[in-house]
Amino acid sequence: EAGVTQFPSHSVIEKGQTVTLRCDPISGHDNLYWYRRVMGKEIKFLLHFVKESKQDESGMPNNRFLAERTGGTYSTLKVQPAELEDSGVYFCASSRDRDNSPLHFGNGTRLTVT
Amino acid sequence: DAKTTQPPSMDCAEGRAANLPCNHSTISGNEYVYWYRQIHSQGPQYIIHGLKNNETNEMASLIITEDRKSSTLILPHATLRDTAVYYCIVRRTLIIQGAQKLVFGQGTRLTINP
Repeated sequence: EAGVTQFPSHSVIEKGQTVTLRCDPISGHDNLYWYRRVMGKEIKFLLHFVKESKQDESGMPNNRFLAERTGGTYSTLKVQPAELEDSGVYFCASSRDRDNSPLHFGNGTRLTVT
Repeated sequence: DAKTTQPPSMDCAEGRAANLPCNHSTISGNEYVYWYRQIHSQGPQYIIHGLKNNETNEMASLIITEDRKSSTLILPHATLRDTAVYYCIVRRTLIIQGAQKLVFGQGTRLTINP
């Protein structure tokens, strides 16, 4: 089966601009997660979708970040306006709808805000 | 979720078994132990998980102590490509609440030496 795919793989934008990251989960996976790693820090949870609903968004840093998953398939994460501290690698993961099903991660989008 | 403690770094010779320890002394009865790794510039890769029995798959073996307060990930014949950061994660799974997020710590940086 195809894995989790993320687009773009890299993005360089200026402070104040808008960027939209996309994640396509593994087909049939109802659970979709966003994570990010900023320079030198641990991988941090952002939010979790179950189908199109936000199950847990406790990790979203502020209201400049907006995640959507219309139709319960792919998801987008928009950062508007981007700030320098938003630079990092954004990972998406998906899992089946079973409570101990492992998460499968994409290779991430490396975001650089200049 | 219960916290885990891992050594920050380890070395292992190529071809030997790599044994990565993890302490999770506050683990609860409904929490699984998961292992992931992150090879440079890639997304976290699922390795194995278990509840209380030892587990083995094509990648590794997971040994969980009887009291479940610690575990060991074993890579039986380490290769240079196994050089990565390895994460031991305890994940609460509740049937009613469904799938739960993973919380990453600092992990163990494993270096396989030729």
